[in-house]
Amino acid sequence: DTEVTQTPKHLVMGMTNKKSLKCEQHMGHRAMYWYKQKAKKPPELMFVYSYEKLSINESVPSRFSPECPNSSLLNLHLHALQPEDSALYLCASSQVRGNTIYFGEGSWLTVV
Amino acid sequence: DAKTTQPNSMESNEEEPVHLPCNHSTISGTDYIHWYRQLPSQGPEYVIHGLTSNVNNRMASLAIAEDRKSSTLILHRATLRDAAVYYCILRDRGSGGSNYKLTFGKGTLLTVNP
Repeated sequence: DTEVTQTPKHLVMGMTNKKSLKCEQHMGHRAMYWYKQKAKKPPELMFVYSYEKLSINESVPSRFSPECPNSSLLNLHLHALQPEDSALYLCASSQVRGNTIYFGEGSWLTVV
Repeated sequence: DAKTTQPNSMESNEEEPVHLPCNHSTISGTDYIHWYRQLPSQGPEYVIHGLTSNVNNRMASLAIAEDRKSSTLILHRATLRDAAVYYCILRDRGSGGSNYKLTFGKGTLLTVNP
């Protein structure tokens, strides 16, 4: 099973809402990632977790709050987002020093 | 991660070979060359990686220049399913490197004509 599963696939939220994106993998990977991708742009790294601890935060605004409750799950909590935060949010996982990073299909987020 | 330079777009015909170039003149000794691709409406997908020697796998071949300042991803027989954005990425795998990070450049949009 080489799959990273993201839910929901589509999310529309208002600027005052609180919502969460979820990501799950069962490959035994201990590194997990959140990327953000705007239309026609490359993915941009947001956060990296290693052994369930946050190891990289690419200066992401605090309205994005990641959480790694266990080695299989990664959440991204969203609060008070802006319309410009509308994008495809990609989750990925890998072995901690692995060569291959496996990506999910992403969650399309629209902020209205 | 060191920078890479790729053409914005390339076109090929179905069942013909495709050579996707990548320049990385500032590559360091501990940088591995990785290729990912992203099909429309999907997340990126690993294709291949290498350090110094040419590499082959079921998806593609990677040809690395002797001075390592450039590389070429080779798709031996393009299919319509290979139409995607192809990203050439350098990952520092040295002990002091930030090897968790995969930093995407702009990539090459490959169009495959039937």
